[in-house]
Amino acid sequence: KQEVTQIPAALSVPEGENLVLNCSFTDSAIYNLQWFRQDPGKGLTSLLLIQSSQREQTSGRLNASLDKSSGRSTLYIAASQPGDSATYLCAVLSNNAGNMLTFGGGTRLMVKP
Amino acid sequence: DAGVIQSPRHEVTEMGQEVTLRCKPISGHDYLFWYRQTMMRGLELLIYFNNNVPIDDSGMPEDRFSAKMPNASFSTLKIQPSEPRDSAVYFCASSMGGRGEQFFGPGTRLTVL
Repeated sequence: KQEVTQIPAALSVPEGENLVLNCSFTDSAIYNLQWFRQDPGKGLTSLLLIQSSQREQTSGRLNASLDKSSGRSTLYIAASQPGDSATYLCAVLSNNAGNMLTFGGGTRLMVKP
Repeated sequence: DAGVIQSPRHEVTEMGQEVTLRCKPISGHDYLFWYRQTMMRGLELLIYFNNNVPIDDSGMPEDRFSAKMPNASFSTLKIQPSEPRDSAVYFCASSMGGRGEQFFGPGTRLTVL
């Protein structure tokens, strides 16, 4: 059974800092991996989706990488801003799980002005 | 497109009452997913549909929960009778293809007293 872990659970950084959020998964047989952002009391916003054949995806100040063999993905946020404060979730679609995403517990990020 | 639409956004009800949550997926998407989010268990998939047909309902907690999708633009999740432990945020998501990027609605925050 796929398990997804995100460490740390919470992170606080000063504005302008570059930061990395980590996601690890136990079964490397994945179809894709998706990073989401969730603001308090709101739904999930899709940030990036990486197919299993890809190594990374970029969108603006965000860059997500995928290392299937080691069961890891990172989300890099450049020049962080207070508006980046939110919970970031990664979700894995495993090859043997049909269409079911397995979510990590999330990293709660606070960027201080 | 307006994105995934859910109603109501908040629901407060008393134990034993019937609760109906509603979802309108993104037009053209052929997969619809219902999730539940709690502090204790994180995000859990309850059920998903493909072309209005339920494919996997193994995440539905018990017979008190039921879901329907009468057409491509509407789905309901019903709880009857509701219990305090059903209190959670319920999300609906849709995608084009079962392994495509999932787009989430704003969620319905359910409180059962």
